[in-house]
Amino acid sequence: NAGVTQTPKFQVLKTGQSMTLQCAQDMNHEYMSWYRQDPGMGLRLIHYSVGAGITDQGEVPNGYNVSRSTTEDFPLRLLSAAPSQTSVYFCATAATQGSYNEQFFGPGTRLTVL
Amino acid sequence: AQSVTQLGSHVSVSEGALVLLRCNYSSSVPPYLFWYVQYPNQGLQLLLKYTTGATLVKGINGFEAEFKKSETSFHLTKPSAHMSDAAEYFCAVSDRRDKVIFGPGTSLSVIP
Repeated sequence: NAGVTQTPKFQVLKTGQSMTLQCAQDMNHEYMSWYRQDPGMGLRLIHYSVGAGITDQGEVPNGYNVSRSTTEDFPLRLLSAAPSQTSVYFCATAATQGSYNEQFFGPGTRLTVL
Repeated sequence: AQSVTQLGSHVSVSEGALVLLRCNYSSSVPPYLFWYVQYPNQGLQLLLKYTTGATLVKGINGFEAEFKKSETSFHLTKPSAHMSDAAEYFCAVSDRRDKVIFGPGTSLSVIP
């Protein structure tokens, strides 16, 4: 099992460009989420999904879109990249809805916006 | 709303010494509490968690944490530090629904 995979590992964008960060899991987990990690701020929740077709906003959703058409995939879209979105992005999954569950993290995508 | 504070953004200990990483939380409901570890250039992985029951929780790699409701704390300890313990450690709290809030992290260095 690959677990949680993220692509790409690194990306450099220019201001105003759009892109999609991919997240895939093969653990049949219902819950998937996206975090961004910035120095001194820990991880902040961007969006999450409790199952296919269901998404909701986290702490910092502005500038990002998500969709969940399948159990396996949860892409994160940056509509018009800004330097403030320079960060490391992590996708995480959990077996079921319910915040008592362990989350499994992907290896991260390091994004730089110039 | 939940929040987490971690005292000390960076902690250094000698190899073999006690590791103590502090975590305090605020929550309007009885919380679920977690400690995650992040090794360089990797994602986070769970060390231990408290949901209900025994307040002293044991995790992987010899770490443990104690939930103290009166102090709203969930400090992480390990009796004897190893070089391999050098990493970033994150405390997290949940609202017993869908969201987990992470603290800012503490970077642990282990000195030979």
